[in-house]
Amino acid sequence: EPEVTQTPSHQVTQMGQEVILRCVPISNHLYFYWYRQILGQKVEFLVSFYNNEISEKSEIFDDQFSVERPDGSNFTLKIRSTKLEDSAMYFCASTRSSGDTDTQYFGPGTRLTVL
Amino acid sequence: AQSVSQHNHHVILSEAASLELGCNYSYGGTVNLFWYVQYPGQHLQLLLKYFSGDPLVKGIKGFEAEFIKSKFSFNLRKPSVQWSDTAEYFCAVNSNNAGNMLTFGGGTRLMVKP
Repeated sequence: EPEVTQTPSHQVTQMGQEVILRCVPISNHLYFYWYRQILGQKVEFLVSFYNNEISEKSEIFDDQFSVERPDGSNFTLKIRSTKLEDSAMYFCASTRSSGDTDTQYFGPGTRLTVL
Repeated sequence: AQSVSQHNHHVILSEAASLELGCNYSYGGTVNLFWYVQYPGQHLQLLLKYFSGDPLVKGIKGFEAEFIKSKFSFNLRKPSVQWSDTAEYFCAVNSNNAGNMLTFGGGTRLMVKP
């Protein structure tokens, strides 16, 4: 069964550094998402992306964040200048279509630690 | 804004015990409801979902959930748990008025003792 993959599994960075988290969605999916889960808190929606544009974004997704689909397979989340509070597990997800009943398939996550 | 509450943070059961995990949501419009499971070291996987029709939905691995609109609830059940059900369970909702972003509950960590 096709799966969403994410790299790296764990990223450690210094505060103020830029990080890029990578995701490879399922190949025939067209809609992509990033969520994050700070330790001990809920999984929170960050952004959705379709046709090379952001479809929706949450209040968390401020100017420090950006997303890109640089080629036909990767979907990336960039944090320009990391802060301590960006430490979290970041999950990528994808769906085949935009239907709200469509199942979102999640990747295994990237644990980001900001020191 | 929609919100989801899972009141049980940790549940410990013996094998063959019955399971019910609570999920309540807050949203006035039409919602779609999901239960995801995350086994240790693995990614979130869909157990089941409800968007219309029979409010009792059956999912994988013997799980089911019942949507009770009047109670804003979507509780997950399994009549007899196994050690392999040890995992974290997440309830989530979205609505067609709020795009398809999922709003998650806080999760319930289930440990099944052999």
